[in-house]
Amino acid sequence: AQSVTQLDSQVPVFEEAPVELRCNYSSSVSVYLFWYVQYPNQGLQLLLKYLSGSTLVKGINGFEAEFNKSQTSFHLRKPSVHISDTAEYFCAVKGSYNTDKLIFGTGTRLQVFP
Amino acid sequence: EPEVTQTPSHQVTQMGQEVILRCVPISNHLYFYWYRQILGQKVEFLVSFYNNEISEKSEIFDDQFSVERPDGSNFTLKIRSTKLEDSAMYFCASSERGRQGEQFFGPGTRLTVL
Repeated sequence: AQSVTQLDSQVPVFEEAPVELRCNYSSSVSVYLFWYVQYPNQGLQLLLKYLSGSTLVKGINGFEAEFNKSQTSFHLRKPSVHISDTAEYFCAVKGSYNTDKLIFGTGTRLQVFP
Repeated sequence: EPEVTQTPSHQVTQMGQEVILRCVPISNHLYFYWYRQILGQKVEFLVSFYNNEISEKSEIFDDQFSVERPDGSNFTLKIRSTKLEDSAMYFCASSERGRQGEQFFGPGTRLTVL
């Protein structure tokens, strides 16, 4: 079974500052990792994914994440945030071959201030 | 860009009533999913569906729930006799590659059971 921990429930940051949203996972099998974003009153939009290959993955809206197998982490980063990045961010993990089920973290609310 | 759509956006029903939530997956996708998010809680997997069969289901997906692909474009979730605790946001998702790929989510249906 897999699990995901997002330690930060809220991250306040000023516009144009860098941000890192932390995600740690546990799994006994190899995994796929995802970050989704949920804007107010909207659904879940895929930001980026790690399936295989390069451990540094780039997504939409200038976000990137690095898969670190030894630390079982998949932290999301952006070098300079914008007001429009204010949203809820969810990290999710899935066993790479034995399940359909995405396991989500509890989410991190990113609040960008002017 | 193709997207998953869901109707209605908000459904209010009385306890004990049957509800059907509808989804139109992305047209070339063959793998379909339902998730739910109770207010303030994690997004939780309910069921996956492929080739007109349930592939995987969670312990939440009991006999009160059923899924169907009634035609070539729709995918539905039926709750036979709703309970107060079924109040949640229900997300449909679809995937082109199933267990080897990412899932794309719809905007959700907010179900309120009174």
